[in-house]
Amino acid sequence: DQQVKQNSPSLSVQEGRISILNCDYTNSMFDYFLWYKKYPAEGPTFLISISSIKDKNEDGRFTVFLNKSAKHLSLHIVPSQPGDSAVYFCAASGGRRTSGSRLTFGEGTQLTVNP
Amino acid sequence: EPEVTQTPSHQVTQMGQEVILRCVPISNHLYFYWYRQILGQKVEFLVSFYNNEISEKSEIFDDQFSVERPDGSNFTLKIRSTKLEDSAMYFCASYLDLSYEQYFGPGTRLTVT
Repeated sequence: DQQVKQNSPSLSVQEGRISILNCDYTNSMFDYFLWYKKYPAEGPTFLISISSIKDKNEDGRFTVFLNKSAKHLSLHIVPSQPGDSAVYFCAASGGRRTSGSRLTFGEGTQLTVNP
Repeated sequence: EPEVTQTPSHQVTQMGQEVILRCVPISNHLYFYWYRQILGQKVEFLVSFYNNEISEKSEIFDDQFSVERPDGSNFTLKIRSTKLEDSAMYFCASYLDLSYEQYFGPGTRLTVT
């Protein structure tokens, strides 16, 4: 199932700099996108989301950008902090177009923020 | 802050045995889910549950799996006859109808020997 893909398994940045995590999708029925953060031995924690009717959503240090024509979204973290080190998952939902609103996940990107 | 809880945190069982994984979703949420993550693989959807019935299930969710909401708070996943390949982290999630932001529990690590 390659409907949601995160091509970078890992990313390393310096504290205070910007982290950019990328995600691509293929299913045009997806209309709601979410980013989750996951620490080892814990469940995914919801971070930020965006509806397909928008191209940007911001929440504090986190901004998600959506490019529908390219079927691409990205998560920007500015400034990055060592506590941001975790695995970040991109997920997509068909929303009201599909029953149940199952989430389809990407593989995840391990972000390491170095002090 | 309300959270999804799951028990047990780790379950070890022998192949062929039945297991029941338990979840308590956030109290005012209406949609409930089970996902799993096999080590090194993606988080995969298993089943969604709304209004006391299954609303969607994946091809993984075969006759060996069942879900139940036996009372107003618990949501369970039963695997009737476990196989080695059922070893995974199982996550319960829930959300309210106003958004699609699913909130996940900490997971149950199932080890089938």
